[in-house]
Amino acid sequence: AQTVTQSQPEMSVQEAETVTLSCTYDTSESDYYLFWYKQPPSRQMILVIRQEAYKQQNATENRFSVNFQKAAKSFSLKISDSQLGDAAMYFCAYRFPRGDSGGGADGLTFGKGTHLIIQP
Amino acid sequence: DTAVSQTPKYLVTQMGNDKSIKCEQNLGHDTMYWYKQDSKKFLKIMFSYNNKELIINETVPNRFSPKSPDKAHLNLHINSLELGDSAVYFCASSPQGGTEAFFGQGTRLTVV
Repeated sequence: AQTVTQSQPEMSVQEAETVTLSCTYDTSESDYYLFWYKQPPSRQMILVIRQEAYKQQNATENRFSVNFQKAAKSFSLKISDSQLGDAAMYFCAYRFPRGDSGGGADGLTFGKGTHLIIQP
Repeated sequence: DTAVSQTPKYLVTQMGNDKSIKCEQNLGHDTMYWYKQDSKKFLKIMFSYNNKELIINETVPNRFSPKSPDKAHLNLHINSLELGDSAVYFCASSPQGGTEAFFGQGTRLTVV
């Protein structure tokens, strides 16, 4: 079974600084997807960034970027120029790809989350 | 406009009651899910439903039953509610061959 580990229960960063959230995972598959989701106090789950395992290039979305190390099974999230609105729980998630038929959908496996605090 | 919507957002009920949470998605997605987020914020999948195929997480008590009247809806019915069922329940959907899941806003269930 796949597992996702986030070793930092809580992180704190000064506004405008850069912070990196760690995530490691365990899988025997070679093709899969990795995600970072953000959950602010409103509790809405918001997709931050996605990485396909077959892509060597690290995904970026504006101030958010990942460092994907497939051999090490590591998938860290870097937030640059931190803003107060970035304060939230961040969840790393893994997904085994479904076939074209869509059958056997087993959803996302989540880590336990990292609570990110932004200091003004 | 809401892509995945759940009702109600909050639900307070007594032990032993039966309750339902409704979920609707207007994204045309083929697969829908229910996730449970416990008091420690841990998210775990409960069910997925794809093209009338239901996949059940073995750890989910059989008091929980998903019901899908059509592709756009996946409701969660819970019988004989227990204190330990208190949690936030999320509905989500994803497209055929898609990757990420789109989440509803969650339903906070409190059993007293």
